[in-house]
Amino acid sequence: NAGVTQTPKFQVLKTGQSMTLQCAQDMNHEYMSWYRQDPGMGLRLIHYSVGAGITDQGEVPNGYNVSRSTTEDFPLRLLSAAPSQTSVYFCASKQGRSYNEQFFGPGTRLTVL
Amino acid sequence: SQQGEEDPQALSIQEGENATMNCSYKTSINNLQWYRQNSGRGLVHLILIRSNEREKHSGRLRVTLDTSKKSSSLLITASRAADTASYFCATDGGSYIPTFGRGTSLIVHP
Repeated sequence: NAGVTQTPKFQVLKTGQSMTLQCAQDMNHEYMSWYRQDPGMGLRLIHYSVGAGITDQGEVPNGYNVSRSTTEDFPLRLLSAAPSQTSVYFCASKQGRSYNEQFFGPGTRLTVL
Repeated sequence: SQQGEEDPQALSIQEGENATMNCSYKTSINNLQWYRQNSGRGLVHLILIRSNEREKHSGRLRVTLDTSKKSSSLLITASRAADTASYFCATDGGSYIPTFGRGTSLIVHP
């Protein structure tokens, strides 16, 4: 199993550009999440999904869109990038509702100029 | 707002010493988890304790949970230089999606 994979590893955008961060998992996990990590802030939840076709907002959803058309994939879209979105983005998945550890991808380091 | 808060923010010890990190949270939880993050890497799950458990062990790790005080502690015994990392507690409420604190940065000197 590859676990949770994320692409790209690094990305530089200009303000106003759009892009999609890819996330895929091969463990047939129901739950998937996106977090951002900024220095001194820990991880903050952006969006999450509890199954294909179901998504919901986390703590910091503004400026981001998600969709979950398949169990495996959970892309994160930045429609109009802003410097405040410079961060490291982590995708994670877990098997089900409760008592499950969460598996993390290696992260995408995004810089918005 | 973030649910869990770790204390201290930074901890520096010598190899062989024990390291204790604390986590406080605000609302009721289903379970509490601890994760480790090495510099520049993703998070790795260490241990999960359910809300009806009070203590759990895994190798050199010992986790306690006091739901009346809304707090948890992570003890790493006989620390090694390889334990140098950031440690995060994560709690989940109604959504069952973990939310994280700001973490404790642990440095273990050889």
